[in-house]
Amino acid sequence: NAGVTQTPKFQVLKTGQSMTLQCAQDMNHEYMSWYRQDPGMGLRLIHYSVGAGITDQGEVPNGYNVSRSTTEDFPLRLLSAAPSQTSVYFCASSRTVHSNQPQHFGDGTRLSIL
Amino acid sequence: DAKTTQPPSMDCAEGRAANLPCNHSTISGNEYVYWYRQIHSQGPQYIIHGLKNNETNEMASLIITEDRKSSTLILPHATLRDTAVYYCIVTAPQTGANNLFFGTGTRLTVIP
Repeated sequence: NAGVTQTPKFQVLKTGQSMTLQCAQDMNHEYMSWYRQDPGMGLRLIHYSVGAGITDQGEVPNGYNVSRSTTEDFPLRLLSAAPSQTSVYFCASSRTVHSNQPQHFGDGTRLSIL
Repeated sequence: DAKTTQPPSMDCAEGRAANLPCNHSTISGNEYVYWYRQIHSQGPQYIIHGLKNNETNEMASLIITEDRKSSTLILPHATLRDTAVYYCIVTAPQTGANNLFFGTGTRLTVIP
């Protein structure tokens, strides 16, 4: 059972570099989302998607782009990395957007921006 | 979404039942109660959820009071691997984002 797979697990970037965090799910889930978790804080929603071809912004979207060309994949792009984006990033998916569907999380990407 | 209140930490002896309380006194009629846990350095793991009725699955039981203002997560036979931060979350149906608000949770330590 693969579930939600995130790659890479760890990444170090220099300020100004760009990169893409990968997220894939094999459960045919419609809803996918990206959160970031900073030390001592809860998860904050970055972007989400209710289905292929549809994306929208969450609480903290600035500096990030997403796309959803397939049901399975939901990559998160950092356009120009900043030290404030140092965080742990989690991708999640659920069958639909409705709150009676549990969300399943990947194991995260730990990102450091120098 | 309604806010939740949980004790910051609890201990439980290995093999005993762990009962984790959660207050959600402002919960609305259409809001679900969810429990997740986060084991150090891993992603949040879904445990169980419910609306009105008590629920049980292979991991845990969820007891929701009749007025729905509080709930208890029960791990029937705690093991060392259950040491984690447990989050109680209430969430309502959304037309847009299903944004889960993870508060500070309860840090459960299972003691040998």
